[in-house]
Amino acid sequence: DTGVSQDPRHKITKRGQNVTFRCDPISEHNRLYWYRQTLGQGPEFLTYFQNEAQLEKSRLLSDRFSAERPKGSFSTLEIQRTEQGDSAMYLCASSFGSGGREQYFGPGTRLTVT
Amino acid sequence: AQSVTQLGSHVSVSEGALVLLRCNYSSSVPPYLFWYVQYPNQGLQLLLKYTSAATLVKGINGFEAEFKKSETSFHLTKPSAHMSDAAEYFCAVSDNTDKLIFGTGTRLQVFP
Repeated sequence: DTGVSQDPRHKITKRGQNVTFRCDPISEHNRLYWYRQTLGQGPEFLTYFQNEAQLEKSRLLSDRFSAERPKGSFSTLEIQRTEQGDSAMYLCASSFGSGGREQYFGPGTRLTVT
Repeated sequence: AQSVTQLGSHVSVSEGALVLLRCNYSSSVPPYLFWYVQYPNQGLQLLLKYTSAATLVKGINGFEAEFKKSETSFHLTKPSAHMSDAAEYFCAVSDNTDKLIFGTGTRLQVFP
């Protein structure tokens, strides 16, 4: 068990560019979550998957954001036409089962849009 | 809708003193409650969780929290602060969907 990993750890991009982040959950964890954390705030829920199915998306997730988990293992989060307001830490977490199960968080990807 | 309020964005204590971080929640269903800790430039680590078993929950690093339904509170305590406890602490609530709703966090400073 190597924990949840995220790649890249840091990304600097220019406004209008597309970016993609990857999350590798703990193996055999069937649930995967994406959160966004801005400076001085707690993480905010974006979306989550159970296996390959995307079960819920937050209203925070505009149509410029898309997430996939094609084989129920790793997940990608893509942001198209980035805006300065997208600058944040993007956190991924995974868990097994439901009903108050612990979510294990990755180290996050810090996005800076210039 | 569920929500979490953390009173006090900054708390400062002396090493060896009691740590008390406050969390109040709002939930229309029996909640699951969590405390997470975040060190600079790192992800979140679970300290403890309440899932309707014992109301006094013990976690890692000597932390504990008590679920009080009548007060809708889940305050985090530690009898004696250590320098290594300096970090940001987040209280979170979830329901059966399991997505976490976080508070705005409390930054704990520990002075020697």
